[in-house]
Amino acid sequence: GAVVSQHPSRVICKSGTSVKIECRSLDFQATTMFWYRQFPKQSLMLMATSNEGSKATYEQGVEKDKFLINHASLTLSTLTVTSAHPEDSSFYICSTSGDLNEQYFGPGTRLTVT
Amino acid sequence: LAKTTQPISMDSYEGQEVNITCSHNNIATNDYITWYQQFPSQGPRFIIQGYKTKVTNEVASLFIPADRKSSTLSLPRVSLSDTAVYYCLVGTSNSGYALNFGKGTSLLVTP
Repeated sequence: GAVVSQHPSRVICKSGTSVKIECRSLDFQATTMFWYRQFPKQSLMLMATSNEGSKATYEQGVEKDKFLINHASLTLSTLTVTSAHPEDSSFYICSTSGDLNEQYFGPGTRLTVT
Repeated sequence: LAKTTQPISMDSYEGQEVNITCSHNNIATNDYITWYQQFPSQGPRFIIQGYKTKVTNEVASLFIPADRKSSTLSLPRVSLSDTAVYYCLVGTSNSGYALNFGKGTSLLVTP
């Protein structure tokens, strides 16, 4: 299956700053990538669908101006958390679709906002 | 997307077979059933996928009855390293569909 990487694996930032998380599809051209957020002891929550060359589609309740998504190439999507606050601390995971409807997930990025 | 229902948690001893059942009463004709495994602080990992009857790979088996309203993930002879959360998802066959994760089943394997 597809190999997906994320960078960084963990990041700590101060409240009010912005953080960029990269998601790369290493061996698969991904026209669509997905971004999820997972709080401790909870399930994954879909935040947005990232489409190569066009605007992302955000799920209800997710602020598009706060969580900026850029999908400039078939192998890279980025999620920027702008003006981060402690409540944005979470585990962020990206994924891409495989040939048979399955999803391949990145290893995740642990964001801690102090 | 079809809603799924799974047991919140299960316990097993090493070497036993574990069967996790998922209910998906509103599954649509084009939907596939896919199971994922997630370890703490890692992204989910694809385990197995099926449409009907039985599917088997090197890791698990997936049993799907004729009405497709449920499915059972079978893990043969579990080990301690199988302790994880297992998610059952149901989705369409179009590339790019979004996944609706339920609460999953937390499996604890003990010696």
